[in-house]
Amino acid sequence: QKEVEQNSGPLSVPEGAIASLNCTYSDRGSQSFFWYRQYSGKSPELIMSIYSNGDKEDGRFTAQLNKASQYVSLLIRDSQPSDSATYLCAVNVSPGNQFYFGTGTSLTVIP
Amino acid sequence: SQTIHQWPATLVQPVGSPLSLECTVEGTSNPNLYWYRQAAGRGLQLLFYSVGIGQISSEVPQNLSASRPQDRQFILSSKKLLLSDSGFYLCAWSYREWVTDTQYFGPGTRLTVL
Repeated sequence: QKEVEQNSGPLSVPEGAIASLNCTYSDRGSQSFFWYRQYSGKSPELIMSIYSNGDKEDGRFTAQLNKASQYVSLLIRDSQPSDSATYLCAVNVSPGNQFYFGTGTSLTVIP
Repeated sequence: SQTIHQWPATLVQPVGSPLSLECTVEGTSNPNLYWYRQAAGRGLQLLFYSVGIGQISSEVPQNLSASRPQDRQFILSSKKLLLSDSGFYLCAWSYREWVTDTQYFGPGTRLTVL
């Protein structure tokens, strides 16, 4: 069974701090990794994708992938109250196949 | 650009009534399509996915069914709703970009079964 694990939180950080969200996955053959943000009552929104080991930066967001350790993380720099949401980690083992989601980490940024 | 539509946005139905939720994608062809359900405070549960017209793979549900009558249309149905069918229903589509698929979600339908 392919599993994606995330700490459910809640994770609270003060405004302006770095929020660090972590995710581990069980299938070593996984190829693509995604972070979605889901505001309460809304659908998930893709914010980052990463395919290769290392870091990928997009604005205040940095995704980090370590395939040897089977984890992927998301760093949010200069956290804002508008970043308060649930963050879902997703894994795609191979193109054409299913996406596997973690249960999400709830983040609250305190003004 | 691609867009995905779902309707209705909200729905309140009595137990035992039928259900039909519709999802359409614009701006792409031959997408993979997915139905997920998210119960209150829970993760995403994959219900069905489709790689083409008439091709449906079922993951879990007993009283739900899905159909794909057209390339960019995906329908979720039930003949008799249960209380446990309440939840947030999300349609998603994915497409091949370089060597990977990327998945995007529709706005969702919030279903309450009373």
